[in-house]
Amino acid sequence: SQTIHQWPATLVQPVGSPLSLECTVEGTSNPNLYWYRQAAGRGLQLLFYSVGIGQISSEVPQNLSASRPQDRQFILSSKKLLLSDSGFYLCAWSLVDYEQYFGPGTRLTVT
Amino acid sequence: DQQVKQNSPSLSVQEGRISILNCDYTNSMFDYFLWYKKYPAEGPTFLISISSIKDKNEDGRFTVFLNKSAKHLSLHIVPSQPGDSAVYFCAASESGNTPLVFGKGTRLSVIA
Repeated sequence: SQTIHQWPATLVQPVGSPLSLECTVEGTSNPNLYWYRQAAGRGLQLLFYSVGIGQISSEVPQNLSASRPQDRQFILSSKKLLLSDSGFYLCAWSLVDYEQYFGPGTRLTVT
Repeated sequence: DQQVKQNSPSLSVQEGRISILNCDYTNSMFDYFLWYKKYPAEGPTFLISISSIKDKNEDGRFTVFLNKSAKHLSLHIVPSQPGDSAVYFCAASESGNTPLVFGKGTRLSVIA
């Protein structure tokens, strides 16, 4: 069966520090991968999605970037965090169908 | 411009009664709709879906209704249980390989 891992589960970082969140999927090949952020009162905001290695689509211009160095690995990064980057970050995967399956999430607090 | 709208941020229902969560959309190209359930500090979990060729899909206590002419869908939970208390997200897609568009969610509280 397929599983999706995200780490860390929680993270507290100062403003201006870098960020790296990792997501890996097991049990499937060539999945579509997604990064979402859930901020208070804003629901699930799609940040990036990828349909293959090295292919990244950005939905919202911002302080973040994503990379997909391997088929089942998706990384969310920032060079310098802002206070507004605080939120709950979710990774998800799907095959070429409609359902997306989410990871457990990372709670990021920028202080 | 929000393409998927959940206009009720919260809903409170007594245990055993029906919960009805509503969702409206503006993009007529959406052809697949999903509901996700999310507990605090966890990722959303897929609940139920419906294709635009159907107007109803049922799975146990959960039923989703789709009214394409009104661009409206709803999730019915009968009977509601305290464990159903969560945030419910409505999502829509134009095709199988485009990202889902999510609503802002409705927080359901089922009171014992």
